[in-house]
Amino acid sequence: QVQLVQSGAEVKKPGASVKVSCKASGYTFTTYDIHWVRQATGQGLEWMGWMNPHSGNTGFAQKFQGRVTMTSDTSINTAYMELSSLDFDDTAVYYCTRKPFPSAFWGQGSLVTVSS
Amino acid sequence: DTVVTQTPLSSPVTLGQPASISCNSSHSLVHSDGNTYLSWLQQRPGQPPRLLIYQISKRFSGVPDRFSGSGAGTNFTLTISRVEAEDAGLYYCVQATQFPYTFGQGTKLEIE
Repeated sequence: QVQLVQSGAEVKKPGASVKVSCKASGYTFTTYDIHWVRQATGQGLEWMGWMNPHSGNTGFAQKFQGRVTMTSDTSINTAYMELSSLDFDDTAVYYCTRKPFPSAFWGQGSLVTVSS
Repeated sequence: DTVVTQTPLSSPVTLGQPASISCNSSHSLVHSDGNTYLSWLQQRPGQPPRLLIYQISKRFSGVPDRFSGSGAGTNFTLTISRVEAEDAGLYYCVQATQFPYTFGQGTKLEIE
C-alpha cells in the first residue's frame, strides 16, 4: 500500500534552515510528483510547491520563491523540502502528498517550531 | 492567484440533518483540458487531510455516499445528506486548476 513517512519534529532558531524528509513506499517513486503543504497551528492549509522526482523539475508558490528547495533521492525513494531563513510564522506542520493533487496519500506531518 | 472562499466558516448541525458548505473561486476553475479541479478534504484534529471529493463531484473510494459534491465554474457545494457524529471536523475546498494551488479557509462542522 502507498505510504508517505515523514521525518520527526524539529525546533529551529530564527534565521536557520530546516530540511524535512518524506519517504515513499508502495509505488514507483519517480512516477508521481510530490507536493508540500503546510498548516500553522489552528490555521488553514497552504500549498507550498511541487517537485518531480524523475526530472527534478519544481514549482513553488510565489511567497516561498528563493527560500524553499525541493529535492529527492531516488535511490532511497525520499523527497526533501528545505526551507531557509526561518521566521516565527514558519512554525507549522509540514505535509508531503502525492500527485494527483490533492491526493488520498499524505504523510503524517512534520512539526517545525521556530523559537528563539 | 485564484482566491477560494468558503462559507460558512463554522456550521453547527444536528445529528441526522443535512449540511452544506459553499466554495467560491475568484476565477473559473475549468482547466484547459476541460476538467474542473475542485476537491473537498476533511481534516480531523491531529490528522492529515482526507480526500473526500475530487473534480467537483467524484467521490473517492471508501467515502460514504452521504457526501456529495456539485457545482461548476466558480461556485461549488459539498453536501452531507445526513450528518453522523464521525463527520465532525474541518472541511476544506481546494483548487488545483491553476498554480499556485489554493485552499479555502476551512469550515468547522460541529455536531449538535
